[in-house]
Amino acid sequence: GAGVSQSPRYKVAKRGQDVALRCDPISGHVSLFWYQQALGQGPEFLTYFQNEAQLDKSGLPSDRFFAERPEGSVSTLKIQRTQQEDSAVYLCASSSNPGTHNEQFFGPGTRLTVL
Amino acid sequence: AQTVTQSQPEMSVQEAETVTLSCTYDTSESDYYLFWYKQPPSRQMILVIRQEAYKQQNATENRFSVNFQKAAKSFSLKISDSQLGDAAMYFCAYRKGETSGSRLTFGEGTQLTVNP
Repeated sequence: GAGVSQSPRYKVAKRGQDVALRCDPISGHVSLFWYQQALGQGPEFLTYFQNEAQLDKSGLPSDRFFAERPEGSVSTLKIQRTQQEDSAVYLCASSSNPGTHNEQFFGPGTRLTVL
Repeated sequence: AQTVTQSQPEMSVQEAETVTLSCTYDTSESDYYLFWYKQPPSRQMILVIRQEAYKQQNATENRFSVNFQKAAKSFSLKISDSQLGDAAMYFCAYRKGETSGSRLTFGEGTQLTVNP
């Protein structure tokens, strides 16, 4: 498809497990963002990539969160030793280049539930 | 730090009528962009309308228009001729006008119900 895709759509993890969430941006999009959306809240910024370079990770809530985009396309958000407070929808967005006039296109998100 | 506030957790409107969703923001920047996004139950965030801060003219997109009051830091969304498909969570968002890595800062959202 032509849009941003994310997998899995739903993930249930037991507390303490590691999880990996995948984002496939629109082909050719340089910029990629991860956001965390808690239930009933607006999304909050986690991290930003320009191609393969992670230029901003100031929103990552703890050192248990790690993101990568090794070839400048697909990105993975990894959460180690998951906690209940990590339960949220994780949204990925991409845009064609870093210019602020370019729209961020969002994926459908991954809903993570930590039991 | 920039903040975005939506003071209406829920709104409802009758089909074919007009509704206005409120948003205020706080920033010390002079160059920025404001957005309204729609998020239906499918969770796909969809851009509804965008306003550049340097433009005095209010943005319009078909049935959607904004009232941008820069001095008051207010950015409301008006939906005319509301349709059942407009029912969703609406988020107001802000983005700094820098050239790279400009994240979106979202408000808390307004849940819009459209009654037939």
